[in-house]
Amino acid sequence: KAGVTQTPRYLIKTRGQQVTLSCSPISGHRSVSWYQQTPGQGLQFLFEYFSETQRNKGNFPGRFSGRQFSNSRSEMNVSTLELGDSALYLCASSLKGPNTEAFFGQGTRLTVV
Amino acid sequence: TQLLEQSPQFLSIQEGENLTVYCNSSSVFSSLQWYRQEPGEGPVLLVTVVTGGEVKKLKRLTFQFGDARKDSSLHITAAQTGDTGLYLCAGALGYQKVTFGTGTKLQVIP
Repeated sequence: KAGVTQTPRYLIKTRGQQVTLSCSPISGHRSVSWYQQTPGQGLQFLFEYFSETQRNKGNFPGRFSGRQFSNSRSEMNVSTLELGDSALYLCASSLKGPNTEAFFGQGTRLTVV
Repeated sequence: TQLLEQSPQFLSIQEGENLTVYCNSSSVFSSLQWYRQEPGEGPVLLVTVVTGGEVKKLKRLTFQFGDARKDSSLHITAAQTGDTGLYLCAGALGYQKVTFGTGTKLQVIP
């Protein structure tokens, strides 16, 4: 079966711009979680969606937002980009939630210049 | 605040050696997962442990969940170059949120 697909793989944006990242989960999976990975902070939880509802949110500013569509595809948006937002953004899909077997995509590498 | 501390942070060993990676926290987790991540890829789940004191074996890898469900260890026997990667533990607080550890970067030299 097809894995988790994240698009785009690479992105370069300028400070102050906004960006939208996409995640298509494994068919049948209703939970999508988003993470930010940086060398200094490691993997940090952003938020989790289940059946179009945000169930949990990490400690990130309101510039980070997300949504999930009825087909379980999810998007995350970062507005007013800062240099510190440069990171690998990963999404993971699972049947019930991130504490069950979760499958990660390859990530989107965002560079803010 | 980093809830899960992993040690060591870096490990470089010869092929055939044994190693243990530790994952420690002051929090109690409902379950704990171990992942391996290779450069340019997302993490891949290795195992989930849910019961205090539980031991799981996956070929040369042995995972243990502490009795109090606050810590875990991963032991690799006779390491191979294919074991090279970033090892991450992740503690679950209920269904909806998982906290990842600081990571252990393992390099196995042929």
